[in-house]
Amino acid sequence: DTEVTQTPKHLVMGMTNKKSLKCEQHMGHRAMYWYKQKAKKPPELMFVYSYEKLSINESVPSRFSPECPNSSLLNLHLHALQPEDSALYLCASSQGARGLYEQYFGPGTRLTVT
Amino acid sequence: GESVGLHLPTLSVQEGDNSIINCAYSNSASDYFIWYKQESGKGPQFIIDIRSNMDKRQGQRVTVLLNKTVKHLSLQIAATQPGDSAVYFCAENGVNRDDKIIFGKGTRLHILP
Repeated sequence: DTEVTQTPKHLVMGMTNKKSLKCEQHMGHRAMYWYKQKAKKPPELMFVYSYEKLSINESVPSRFSPECPNSSLLNLHLHALQPEDSALYLCASSQGARGLYEQYFGPGTRLTVT
Repeated sequence: GESVGLHLPTLSVQEGDNSIINCAYSNSASDYFIWYKQESGKGPQFIIDIRSNMDKRQGQRVTVLLNKTVKHLSLQIAATQPGDSAVYFCAENGVNRDDKIIFGKGTRLHILP
């Protein structure tokens, strides 16, 4: 199984809502990532978890809160988002970290903030 | 930072011809490089990778070439098919050897019938 799954596929939320994005992999990968992607741009790294510990936070605003409950699951909690946060949110996993392994991406969650 | 417009570089190739997508990477200390393909509405998909101790690697219908002297990476796709239509990103692991992969800006491959 080389699949990374993400739910939901689409999400529309108001600026006062709280929602969560979920990501799951069963490849035994020990590194998991959240990326944000705007149209016609490359994925932009937000967070990295390595062995269930947060190893990188790319100065992401606190309205985005990541969580790694176990080695297979990654969540992104959203609160008080702005319309400019509308984007495709991608989860990825890799066998290890240190930038030495390919990342497997999920299909993404298309987020619209109204 | 660099200003990036809304237009991706586009390569138009006749179906059946070979495609060559180029990428200039930024860090001479990078030692791992990856090509990803992203189709519309999907996440990036791993195509092929290469480590800095190699200058060429071949997969099924794809070849990656690495020129460390000029910090250049290329992806060659043989006998391009309509299903190859996508945005292609190169990525490198950068100089810090932290947990990041740094993506290039991307090239859209458009297949002409």
